[in-house]
Amino acid sequence: RKEVEQDPGPFNVPEGATVAFNCTYSNSASQSFFWYRQDCRKEPKLLMSVYSSGNEDGRFTAQLNRASQYISLLIRDSKLSDSATYLCVVNDLGAGSYQLTFGKGTKLSVIP
Amino acid sequence: ETGVTQSPTHLIKTRGQQVTLRCSSQSGHNTVSWYQQALGQGPQFIFQYYREEENGRGNFPPRFSGLQFPNYSSELNVNALELDDSALYLCASSLGGVGPQHFGDGTRLSIL
Repeated sequence: RKEVEQDPGPFNVPEGATVAFNCTYSNSASQSFFWYRQDCRKEPKLLMSVYSSGNEDGRFTAQLNRASQYISLLIRDSKLSDSATYLCVVNDLGAGSYQLTFGKGTKLSVIP
Repeated sequence: ETGVTQSPTHLIKTRGQQVTLRCSSQSGHNTVSWYQQALGQGPQFIFQYYREEENGRGNFPPRFSGLQFPNYSSELNVNALELDDSALYLCASSLGGVGPQHFGDGTRLSIL
């Protein structure tokens, strides 16, 4: 069974803090990797794709280690608006299609 | 660019009934995937449609079925509804399968 495991959380951090989320995946043949963010009772929204070379988008940095099957997300200078659930997502080639496998998510609360 | 739209937003049904949920894909996207998200869990893959055919299926029984139309819009049908079918149903579209998927707002289905 293909699985994605995340830090259970919740993470409660003050504004301005740096916070890191970790994720591991079980399928070594996974094709692509993403972080999504989901606000309460809303749909998941793509935050960023994740590459082995590492990629940065403003305050957000994502990293993939294929050898360890490990994905990370670093948020610097946390804002109140960063409060959400962060979903680690892996795209696997299943029986004839690519299928997103989601972790259960890690809840982040940024406190004033 | 038009995003992914789903209808209805909310729906209440009773056990044994049937339901049809609808999804219009983002313009330019030819692949539609459906997910079920129970409270406190990550989304679970139901199935994917490409070129009007089912192109991969998760661990869901046959009473979950779907369609894709020539304009790439899609329907999810669930027969013989059970209490455990209560969830947020998410539709996501993409161009092919390997890239990121973009989600609609979801349909919140409640079974009484």
